[in-house]
Amino acid sequence: QVQLVQSGGGVVQPGGSLRLSCAASGFTFSHYGMHWARQVPGKGLEWVAFIRFDGGDQYYADSVRGLFTISRDNSKNMLFLQMTSLTGADTAVFYCAKDMTPFGSGSSAGTYFDSWGQGTLVTVSS
Amino acid sequence: EIVLTQSPATLSLSPGERATLSCRASQSVDSYLAWYQQKPGQVPRLLIYDASSRATGIPARFSGSGSGTDFTLTISSLEPEDFAVYFCQQRSYWPLTFGGGTKVEIK
Repeated sequence: QVQLVQSGGGVVQPGGSLRLSCAASGFTFSHYGMHWARQVPGKGLEWVAFIRFDGGDQYYADSVRGLFTISRDNSKNMLFLQMTSLTGADTAVFYCAKDMTPFGSGSSAGTYFDSWGQGTLVTVSS
Repeated sequence: EIVLTQSPATLSLSPGERATLSCRASQSVDSYLAWYQQKPGQVPRLLIYDASSRATGIPARFSGSGSGTDFTLTISSLEPEDFAVYFCQQRSYWPLTFGGGTKVEIK
């Protein structure tokens, strides 16, 4: 079965950086686009970033573009989110998620989230 | 950015009752809309995609309808495990966006 195991969360000072990781198993990782999303505890969901199955395209929410970078290593079945210039507004539980469409590109590059990681809390505080 | 507005914010119902949840988009998203369920302390679970297709393993009591700007998630007869928060999400335009959620609580 699909497993997405996240690591790398924690407490970081404002202006700091953090790298999240997501180890995938149970499916052919290189066939699927992957997402990061976040959720302030008790609040709604916010999509953060998407990377195409082959790493060829990335999309970002306006709130993180230029500050966060999504990447993947298909040889190691790993997904990453490098976050820089963090502020209190970035405090949230971050999830990695698998896109449901294999080989999605163009208009089907990012669709829906059919499997989620366990979530990792990122707290930005001095 | 497509804004998804869910209503009501909270729905108070009893087990066995029918639940009707609404999601309205700020502009047409065709049928590119999904519904997720999230229970306290758990990750979201995909229920419905492309407005009306049930995801793998989702019981038949969950159904989705709508297109364009108005969508509905119906739970035909609430089971105890269905009391949760439900989110809609569109994939018609970047950025992908979620609605604010509807909490279905026990009356």
